[in-house]
Amino acid sequence: GAVVSQHPSWVICKSGTSVKIECRSLDFQATTMFWYRQFPKQSLMLMATSNEGSKATYEQGVEKDKFLINHASLTLSTLTVTSAHPEDSSFYICSARAGEGSETQYFGPGTRLLVL
Amino acid sequence: GDSVTQMEGPVTLSEEAFLTINCTYTATGYPSLFWYVQYPGEGLQLLLKATKADDKGSNKGFEATYRKETTSFHLEKGSVQVSDSAVYFCALGRYNQGGKLIFGQGTELSVKP
Repeated sequence: GAVVSQHPSWVICKSGTSVKIECRSLDFQATTMFWYRQFPKQSLMLMATSNEGSKATYEQGVEKDKFLINHASLTLSTLTVTSAHPEDSSFYICSARAGEGSETQYFGPGTRLLVL
Repeated sequence: GDSVTQMEGPVTLSEEAFLTINCTYTATGYPSLFWYVQYPGEGLQLLLKATKADDKGSNKGFEATYRKETTSFHLEKGSVQVSDSAVYFCALGRYNQGGKLIFGQGTELSVKP
């Protein structure tokens, strides 16, 4: 099946710094990628939809200036957590849609962020 | 708005036991329904899906039937194995909303030998 990778798999940073997380579709092109956030023992919360070559669409309550998303190519989307704070510590997961006509999403393994 | 509710875990079963994980949804119209599985240390994988009422999705011995009258999509397996230990997520999606998925809270399954 299709593979989606994320890098890094975990990161620890100081409060106030910015962290970039990469999401890549390894063997297929993805015009649409999604970014989720997962708290311990809780569900995945959709943060934004990332479309190649256009601005991301953010869900209600998600700060677009805090969570910058760039989808510069058909195989790469990045999420940058700007001026990170301890409350941003979480598990961030990306997924890529298999095609415009597909309802199937392929998920990355996730990135664990800890802000000290 | 749309929402998905799953039974709380963790669920602990012995090998070869029967499994049911309940999932109900709230939505207007006819969304598609999915079950995803997350094995330890791995990303979510699509387990099965159903796109319309009365459809049955099946894969790897797991089954779920799209019941519009009860707004449910319960996951079942007749005989679980230790290798089925994972977290299971029920989800709802709409193609006409760009493929966005709304997830339930996940149910952790632990199968003991």
